[in-house]
Amino acid sequence: EAGVTQSPTHLIKTRGQQATLRCSPISGHTSVYWYQQALGLGLQFLLWYDEGEERNRGNFPPRFSGRQFPNYSSELNVNALELEDSALYLCASSSTRRPNNSPLHFGNGTRLTVT
Amino acid sequence: GESVGLHLPTLSVQEGDNSIINCAYSNSASDYFIWYKQESGKGPQFIIDIRSNMDKRQGQRVTVLLNKTVKHLSLQIAATQPGDSAVYFCAENIGGTYKYIFGTGTRLKVLA
Repeated sequence: EAGVTQSPTHLIKTRGQQATLRCSPISGHTSVYWYQQALGLGLQFLLWYDEGEERNRGNFPPRFSGRQFPNYSSELNVNALELEDSALYLCASSSTRRPNNSPLHFGNGTRLTVT
Repeated sequence: GESVGLHLPTLSVQEGDNSIINCAYSNSASDYFIWYKQESGKGPQFIIDIRSNMDKRQGQRVTVLLNKTVKHLSLQIAATQPGDSAVYFCAENIGGTYKYIFGTGTRLKVLA
């Protein structure tokens, strides 16, 4: 069974540009979570999608947005990039909308560097 | 969310010894806990989970202990191997909500 896949692996952008990150969940998983992991910091919750809908978002500005497609893959968009957006962006999927029934499974992330 | 500085606590163990990594959680409403392993350049990898109605769960070479009285979680790795070198962190889920809180992580170094 293929795991969570994310693309691209690395992304280099300049300040003010826009970045698009993509995620394909494990087959059969309907919930997708996005997290930001800045260097040396813990995972910070960005967004949660389930069944195509945004269910919740973390304490990030509106320039962080995303969507989930009918096949449950997801996209994270970051507009007006700032230097502090440089981080590893992790996508995770879950087989159930009830988060305490099964673990989150993570992809290997997209390393975003803003110069 | 929680965050820490650049310097993670480090646990150094000899190859073949047992490792114990600890995690304190803060929310009494948390009822599901997960341990993850994160190697350099990779995403977090699921190791083992435990629900609050249990106090111990065993996997292959790993055991998780849960002490709800003091809100403490530990991961025991038996016969630690070089491939176990990584950052380990715990995650708690608050009462079936979407919300996971991730621990700050401990770096495990296995000495040959």
